Amino acid sequence: DGGITQSPKYLFRKEGQNVTLSCEQNLNHDAMYWYRQDPGQGLRLIYYSQIVNDFQKGDIAEGYSVSREKKESFPLTVTSAQKNPTAFYLCASSISSPRGEQFFGPGTRLTVL
Amino acid sequence: AQTVTQSQPEMSVQEAETVTLSCTYDTSESNYYLFWYKQPPSRQMILVIRQEAYKQQNATENRFSVNFQKAAKSFSLKISDSQLGDTAMYFCAFTDSNYQLIWGAGTKLIIKP
Repeated sequence: DGGITQSPKYLFRKEGQNVTLSCEQNLNHDAMYWYRQDPGQGLRLIYYSQIVNDFQKGDIAEGYSVSREKKESFPLTVTSAQKNPTAFYLCASSISSPRGEQFFGPGTRLTVL
Repeated sequence: AQTVTQSQPEMSVQEAETVTLSCTYDTSESNYYLFWYKQPPSRQMILVIRQEAYKQQNATENRFSVNFQKAAKSFSLKISDSQLGDTAMYFCAFTDSNYQLIWGAGTKLIIKP
């Protein structure tokens, strides 16, 4: 089955800790994305990558970091510099084309205690 | 700036009725793709329908169809014979010149039995 997996589904973090959210895809897509979703709101782009070993900041990159060492993997680290990290995080992938719809993972709910 | 506006934060209709969700957007691009995504209570983001801006014919997918008015920059979604499983957040989006999706804030649709 082709698709996108995210882990863990729920994540709890103490203030001051860094945490890493996993995102893996087996769709052979070049592009991958990380979004943040707050209650009752739309999606905001954190980071995206259109090719291995390259990535760009989205609208709300401060306090987050990513890596793209493999085509199928795009982990997101939420650092202690992120002031309000409690949110729902969605990972997506697509072909690198304007016609390419994004396919989404099931998401990770991060809560800061 | 490229933007997407969904003017209806929430709508509710009776099962089997037809409902139309509105979406307007702003872009200076001449060729782009428009999407409607659905996010049910499970929070899994699912593509509903896609429209290519250079095609005048409106896209349809079973009970879902769009009314695409390029000059007016309008892209509304019509759901016919609505079902309880259509209850979800619906997001309108389009691709910019960098292949990124520009998202609206969403419309919460409730189908009542």
